[in-house]
Amino acid sequence: AQSVAQPEDQVNVAEGNPLTVKCTYSVSGNPYLFWYVQYPNRGLQFLLKYITGDNLVKGSYGFEAEFNKSQTSFHLKKPSALVSDSALYFCAVRDRITGANNLFFGTGTRLTVIP
Amino acid sequence: GAGVSQSPSNKVTEKGKDVELRCDPISGHTALYWYRQSLGQGLEFLIYFQGNSAPDKSGLPSDRFSAERTGGSVSTLTIQRTQQEDSAVYLCASSERGTSEKLFFGSGTQLSVL
Repeated sequence: AQSVAQPEDQVNVAEGNPLTVKCTYSVSGNPYLFWYVQYPNRGLQFLLKYITGDNLVKGSYGFEAEFNKSQTSFHLKKPSALVSDSALYFCAVRDRITGANNLFFGTGTRLTVIP
Repeated sequence: GAGVSQSPSNKVTEKGKDVELRCDPISGHTALYWYRQSLGQGLEFLIYFQGNSAPDKSGLPSDRFSAERTGGSVSTLTIQRTQQEDSAVYLCASSERGTSEKLFFGSGTQLSVL
């Protein structure tokens, strides 16, 4: 079985400060890992993904995420937050071994960047 | 089209009525997904289509829910005898073939069952 946990429903950060949105996962095999973002009144957009190779993945809008196999984590990070980064962020996982059709999403973390 | 298109964007219906939600995926994308997003909850997987293969219906919450995909393109999600707990945003996504590929989402259909 696969699952994703986003332990924080809400993250607040001051503009210009670094931000972290946490994600841990559970799969029976090795994972494909994704981050998606949902801006207000807009659809979900792909940010970045980890498939294989370098554990540090860089994505859109200056975001990056680090795959940590021992801690089964895939935290989303950005060195300097912008007010425009305020949105709902979803982590997602798929088990590459079982090839499960379901891309399993977490419950989301609402990021608010304070000017 | 340029992106995944869903219609209608909003649907208000009475309890017990049937509704149909439509999804037009990106041209050439062989995989199509339906998800449901309820207030304060994550995305709940409903159904998956890949090419001409049998769909994965494992996420459908009850036999009132069904979906089809005609000609490998447009998909329709049908909810029969709607209940108030069916109220949610229904999201459609498509992707190129392969489980490592990213999903492209539509803007969703906001369903309200009164």
